[in-house]
Amino acid sequence: NAGVTQTPKFQVLKTGQSMTLQCAQDMNHNSMYWYRQDPGMGLRLIYYSASEGTTDKGEVPNGYNVSRLNKREFSLRLESAAPSQTSVYFCASNDARGWDYEQYFGPGTRLTVT
Amino acid sequence: AQSVTQLGSHVSVSEGALVLLRCNYSSSVPPYLFWYVQYPNQGLQLLLKYTTGATLVKGINGFEAEFKKSETSFHLTKPSAHMSDAAEYFCAVSGTGSARQLTFGSGTQLTVLP
Repeated sequence: NAGVTQTPKFQVLKTGQSMTLQCAQDMNHNSMYWYRQDPGMGLRLIYYSASEGTTDKGEVPNGYNVSRLNKREFSLRLESAAPSQTSVYFCASNDARGWDYEQYFGPGTRLTVT
Repeated sequence: AQSVTQLGSHVSVSEGALVLLRCNYSSSVPPYLFWYVQYPNQGLQLLLKYTTGATLVKGINGFEAEFKKSETSFHLTKPSAHMSDAAEYFCAVSGTGSARQLTFGSGTQLTVLP
């Protein structure tokens, strides 16, 4: 049971380049989330998917797009990277239909945009 | 809208001393509250959670927290700090709709002095 996996672990982009961050979970969870972590700001929600086939904006969605590819996978795309998107990105999942409200987090992707 | 305030971005304690990390929340509905810990260059790990029932919640590694509705607080404590407790700690409140997205506080970095 791998839990939540994220690829890549590290990435350096130039301003204007695009990339997709991949996330997968093997816990049969119906809800998945993307957060970014910046010093002194905690984690902020970018997008989430309450169930397969649905996605919604979180607190800081500008400059990002997401795809819920299937129940297991939820990707985050930066179409034209900007230095302000330098951050650590975390994917998480849980079974929001149940009584277990805990979110399970991946190890993170550290992204630097120059 | 929900919000979380963590008082003190940095807390230092001596090994063996009491650990107290403060968290206050704002929520228009009964809250579900969490404490997560993050060790350097790692993802987030759940320490403990309050959903319903007993207001004193025990978690892993000897930590506990008490939900006080009248004070809108969920402070984290540990009677005796250990060097291995040095990490960043995040308090979070969960939504109760179709998704369970988390709103995080800005985090508290705990340093344990020998």
